[in-house]
Amino acid sequence: AQSVTQLGSHVSVSEGALVLLRCNYSSSVPPYLFWYVQYPNQGLQLLLKYTTGATLVKGINGFEAEFKKSETSFHLTKPSAHMSDAAEYFCAVRAVKAAGNKLTFGGGTRVLVKP
Amino acid sequence: EPEVTQTPSHQVTQMGQEVILRCVPISNHLYFYWYRQILGQKVEFLVSFYNNEISEKSEIFDDQFSVERPDGSNFTLKIRSTKLEDSAMYFCASSEQAGSSPYEQYFGPGTRLTVT
Repeated sequence: AQSVTQLGSHVSVSEGALVLLRCNYSSSVPPYLFWYVQYPNQGLQLLLKYTTGATLVKGINGFEAEFKKSETSFHLTKPSAHMSDAAEYFCAVRAVKAAGNKLTFGGGTRVLVKP
Repeated sequence: EPEVTQTPSHQVTQMGQEVILRCVPISNHLYFYWYRQILGQKVEFLVSFYNNEISEKSEIFDDQFSVERPDGSNFTLKIRSTKLEDSAMYFCASSEQAGSSPYEQYFGPGTRLTVT
């Protein structure tokens, strides 16, 4: 069975500072990896995904994530935080062969951006 | 931009009552999903649905739950006899396809179900 762990349920960063959100997964075979963002009163929106190929993946709003197979990690970063980045972020995995396309989520990390 | 919509945004019901949560997926999408998030816990997969049948379901999705696509636009989740522990945010999602390629799932804003 797959599982996803996000270190830190809350992260506070200053505007302009680096945002680093950690995600580790447990899976017998490297899965597909995703980061979603949820703004207040909205649904989950895909930030980026890793399927195959280049391990550094760029997404929307200046975010990027690097897949490290040896560390079973897929950490999300953004060089300079904006106030608009305040939201909850979810890491998710999907088995490569998954007929039902089931996503398994981490617990989420809520980001607070201080002016 | 097309989006997934869900109604109602908040539903309050008494224990033992039936509830139907409604979703309108993106119009050209073929796969539909329900997830839920109990307050303070992870988002959990409930069920995926394709071609008018369930593709995959989780252990949570027992006989109390059912899904239906009653017409060409709606996708519903029914809970027959609600329990206190069914209180959660329920998210509907849809994707163009599924299978070997990880087609993006587009999520709705959720329905908060409160069982009293």
